[in-house]
Amino acid sequence: SQTIHQWPATLVQPVGSPLSLECTVEGTSNPNLYWYRQAAGRGLQLLFYSVGIGQISSEVPQNLSASRPQDRQFILSSKKLLLSDSGFYLCAWSRGEFEKLFFGSGTQLSVL
Amino acid sequence: AQSVTQLDSQVPVFEEAPVELRCNYSSSVSVYLFWYVQYPNQGLQLLLKYLSGSTLVKGINGFEAEFNKSQTSFHLRKPSVHISDTAEYFCAVSVSNFGNEKLTFGTGTRLTIIP
Repeated sequence: SQTIHQWPATLVQPVGSPLSLECTVEGTSNPNLYWYRQAAGRGLQLLFYSVGIGQISSEVPQNLSASRPQDRQFILSSKKLLLSDSGFYLCAWSRGEFEKLFFGSGTQLSVL
Repeated sequence: AQSVTQLDSQVPVFEEAPVELRCNYSSSVSVYLFWYVQYPNQGLQLLLKYLSGSTLVKGINGFEAEFNKSQTSFHLRKPSVHISDTAEYFCAVSVSNFGNEKLTFGTGTRLTIIP
C-alpha cells in the first residue's frame, strides 16, 4: 500500500532562519506531488506541484521554494523565513492530476 | 478564477441527529467538486466527489452531497451522525479539464458531535 511521510510534525523557527520540510511517498512511482499551506482561518492554498523529477510549478509568488530531487521526494525550502510563513503545511500526492489527493499529516510551522 | 465558500466555520450537532454542511462555489465554467475530511491528528482524505453524471453523490461513512448548478452549491449531508464523525470538513472546487493543480479549497467547517 502507499504511504506518505511528512516531517517534522511541529517546528518553531526564528525569523530569518532557513527552512527545509521533507515529504516522501512510498509504494508508488511517478506520483504527482503537492505542497499546501493552511493559514489560520483560511482554506488550503496550493503552493507548489510537481509532475516529475525536477519539474516544479508554483501557484503563488512567495518566499518559499520547492524541489524534487528524487521521484518520491518533495522538499519545501526557504532561505530566510518571514513571520507570514507561519502556518500548517501539508504535502500530498496523487496518481494523476484528476486522481484523488492523499495527504500527509502536516507540519505546524511557527515563525517567531 | 473559481472560489468556494463554507459559511459555517463550526457546526455542533447532537449524536444521531442529521447534519448539513454548506458549500457554495463561484465559477464561470464547468467545475468538479469535492469534499475532503480531516480527522483529528490526521491528514485530509477524500470523502466524495462530483465530476459528472448524477447530481447526488454518495461517499464514505454514510455521507452524500448534491450538486445544484442553479444555486452553485454542493452541500454535504448525513442523516444520522456519530461521535466518530467529529472532524474538519473541506469543500473544494476545480475547473473541468484541469486537475488538482487548479483545486481550490474552502476554509473548512469543524463538525463537533455532542453525545
